[in-house]
Amino acid sequence: RKEVEQDPGPFNVPEGATVAFNCTYSNSASQSFFWYRQDCRKEPKLLMSVYSSGNEDGRFTAQLNRASQYISLLIRDSKLSDSATYLCVVMRDTGRRALTFGSGTRLQVQP
Amino acid sequence: DAGITQSPRHKVTETGTPVTLRCHQTENHRYMYWYRQDPGHGLRLIHYSYGVKDTDKGEVSDGYSVSRSKTEDFLLTLESATSSQTSVYFCAISGRTGEGYTFGSGTRLTVV
Repeated sequence: RKEVEQDPGPFNVPEGATVAFNCTYSNSASQSFFWYRQDCRKEPKLLMSVYSSGNEDGRFTAQLNRASQYISLLIRDSKLSDSATYLCVVMRDTGRRALTFGSGTRLQVQP
Repeated sequence: DAGITQSPRHKVTETGTPVTLRCHQTENHRYMYWYRQDPGHGLRLIHYSYGVKDTDKGEVSDGYSVSRSKTEDFLLTLESATSSQTSVYFCAISGRTGEGYTFGSGTRLTVV
């Protein structure tokens, strides 16, 4: 079983739609959580950190459920420019700060 | 953007040859990482460094070695390249605890 699991998609949605991604993690000792965005043939870039209380950044909302060990990302009013792969990431060991990445969920926003 | 650069950006090499990839940062961050990314596997940690001359193995370290003689440089060496090491290699740096990484632009390595 992978430590971080995501639905690979693709999610094909029309512009303006709301789309949600979930991810589950297996290690209950995980400390920090993130969503990264990766465009085709580019490096991953930090989209947002995920806090226990939930957090929002514009059209993006992230939630963490420690009891169920899942993380979610909600994108409202999808734009064409949101098309990318979204990586769910957890930090298990704050000593070495090593991040474990999910394989990503691909989003394609259609005009 | 954070100052992190990787070189070379692209490389084609022959099986059995040694290859060194370089990661250079100007952020004075203590932590540096090498990942490889392959279809179906996502990003996997090869080696990481938590200071000058302090390195440790990740989950896919076989066939790779690293060195960090200066804070700003972290080198990844493939001792004898194999076709299974064809991949995209990303270097990353980490600043404060709880923050994510900043990645370099990646090196596309093809072993023929």
